[in-house]
Amino acid sequence: EVQLVESGGGLVKPGGSLRLPCAASGFTFSTYSMNWVRQAPGKGLEWISYISTSNSKTYYADSVKGRFTISRDNARNSLYLQMNSLRDEDTAVYYCAREGDSGSYEVYWGQGTLVTVSS
Amino acid sequence: DIVMTQSPDSLAVSLGERATINCKSSQSVLYSSNNKNFLAWYQQKPGQPPKLLIYWASTRESGVPDRFSGSGSGTDFTLTISSLQAEDVAVYYCQQYYSTQYTFGQGTKLEIK
Repeated sequence: EVQLVESGGGLVKPGGSLRLPCAASGFTFSTYSMNWVRQAPGKGLEWISYISTSNSKTYYADSVKGRFTISRDNARNSLYLQMNSLRDEDTAVYYCAREGDSGSYEVYWGQGTLVTVSS
Repeated sequence: DIVMTQSPDSLAVSLGERATINCKSSQSVLYSSNNKNFLAWYQQKPGQPPKLLIYWASTRESGVPDRFSGSGSGTDFTLTISSLQAEDVAVYYCQQYYSTQYTFGQGTKLEIK
């Protein structure tokens, strides 16, 4: 069974940093591209970052470019999101998601971890 | 960025009736080399992560009931629920994965009339 488990969320002050891990199991992690998607309270979904299978390609939404860094450790079956210079508007549930076998749609999602940015 | 615009923002349909949600992209998401539309539909219920319903604009994900169907090409797409069931109450999102910045529509909230 495919499982994605995010952790690392919590309360952080504006300007602070946080690192979100996502532990993957039930599939060959190294063969799938991965994404982070977030959802502010009561709002819609916002794609924020993509990483290819071998770390060679990374893409970011304009809203997080230069502040967030996506990475992965295929040996540990783990995906990460390093978030720096956090702002109030980064408050959201952060989901990691695995792409499909044939394309970049998100087939599997974790349950999400809540990040609250507030003073 | 490719902007995805859904209509309507909310929709109330009677049980057993058809529900139709539209999604329009600001530029074509049809990739000419393989003639595929890079468009997916998701369903999200309260307190849950999104669930993939449709990809390549019209391919139903395994296990998704056949009352859900996707259609359209280029810039205009439609998600249709042929006979609304109570468990279909949710927010529905379209997403393009054509560009290197994937984007979602704003969501359509579907309720029972």
